[in-house]
Amino acid sequence: QVQLVQSGAEVKKPGASVKVSCKATGYTFTRYTIHWVRQAPGQRLEWMGWLNAGNGNTKYSQKFQGRVTITRDTSASTAYMELSSLRSEDTAVYYCASEGDITVAGTAFDYWGQGTLVTVSS
Amino acid sequence: SYELTQPPSVSVSPGQTARITCSGAALPKKYAYWYQRKSGQAPVLVIYDDNKRPSGIPERFSGSSSGTLATLTISGAQVEDEADYYCCSTDISANHPVFGGGTKLTVL
Repeated sequence: QVQLVQSGAEVKKPGASVKVSCKATGYTFTRYTIHWVRQAPGQRLEWMGWLNAGNGNTKYSQKFQGRVTITRDTSASTAYMELSSLRSEDTAVYYCASEGDITVAGTAFDYWGQGTLVTVSS
Repeated sequence: SYELTQPPSVSVSPGQTARITCSGAALPKKYAYWYQRKSGQAPVLVIYDDNKRPSGIPERFSGSSSGTLATLTISGAQVEDEADYYCCSTDISANHPVFGGGTKLTVL
């Protein structure tokens, strides 16, 4: 079955970068788009960007433009999300989610990773 | 920026019908999606394209959308349905997903 397995929790200092991985199993990695979504404490879920795992194309939320980079390693069936210039407000649980083929009418996240807690603290 | 608005909480007794609403100006043009997230777990898609149910989701979950309001209905809510529920749709101008603030469903 489809699974997205993320890397473990991270603690970073302000100004540093963090790179979270998302390994996909149970399907052909290049078939689906991978999205990254985060949730800070007390805040709503927030879309950060997507990666077309087939051709490597990306799109980012304007909020994170310039600070976020989403990449892939097709040989490892893994997507990565790197966020730079971290600040305390970036403390959040970061999720990867796949946009499969359940619908073509809109964006449905049909599988999610387990989430990775990133804590930014001096 | 575009926002989806949900009530912070809904409470029902077991066996009653729970209705969770999601208000958004673009909902007449864009589909609504609903996610369930139980404590400490990843979200699960429970409704897509306003009213379709993924395989494996119980029939008591249904969705509807009319005008600027989308609704998730849980008919005969059970204790195991206690969770946070999030609606999601598309920000037309930015062309990317946005989420509602989430609704905590209590069944007791």
